[in-house]
Amino acid sequence: GQQLNQSPQSMFIQEGEDVSMNCTSSSIFNTWLWYKQEPGEGPVLLIALYKAGELTSNGRLTAQFGITRKDSFLNISASIPSDVGIYFCAGQNQGGKLIFGQGTELSVKP
Amino acid sequence: DSGVTQTPKHLITATGQRVTLRCSPRSGDLSVYWYQQSLDQGLQFLIHYYNGEERAKGNILERFSAQQFPDLHSELNLSSLELGDSALYFCASSYGTGLFPPEQYFGPGTRLTVT
Repeated sequence: GQQLNQSPQSMFIQEGEDVSMNCTSSSIFNTWLWYKQEPGEGPVLLIALYKAGELTSNGRLTAQFGITRKDSFLNISASIPSDVGIYFCAGQNQGGKLIFGQGTELSVKP
Repeated sequence: DSGVTQTPKHLITATGQRVTLRCSPRSGDLSVYWYQQSLDQGLQFLIHYYNGEERAKGNILERFSAQQFPDLHSELNLSSLELGDSALYFCASSYGTGLFPPEQYFGPGTRLTVT
């Protein structure tokens, strides 16, 4: 089946640093969503992208829908300790199904 | 708070037993999705219901079943439980069939421990 390759798997950064993570696939997607999951909680929707090339911000978070429709990236600027968690990308395929990446685990050192 | 509720929060049971997990979608949402999240895996899609009817099946075992009731709440039934079924089980909801808008909103999850 379709797969999303999300990288990196984990990141250990210093507070104040910028973070970048991405998802790639060999398949085309109609929509990209980015979620954040904190320990013991359910994933929370951060950003939704609907068009190729679209760049959307939510506070310190910025995400882009790749022009080929096969990838997306998420940037976090000036990271803070509460950014800790697992970030998931999810792509909606041609059939409407949502495919999730394996997640990027972010650790922020104060 | 996503507006999706799940009960119970935690469940501990023995192998061979049967349990039922419950989910109430956000007000106005007609679709309910179930996911399993194990320690070493991401979110595994199990099943999708829209307005009471099954729409899609993922990697759901035959020992597992689900249904969506007329009031739109959903239950996931897990039977003949095995140690490997220990995981977090999430319910998510969306407004329509999932085609558009595609956004799914997740509940807080049920942590199932099989001993």
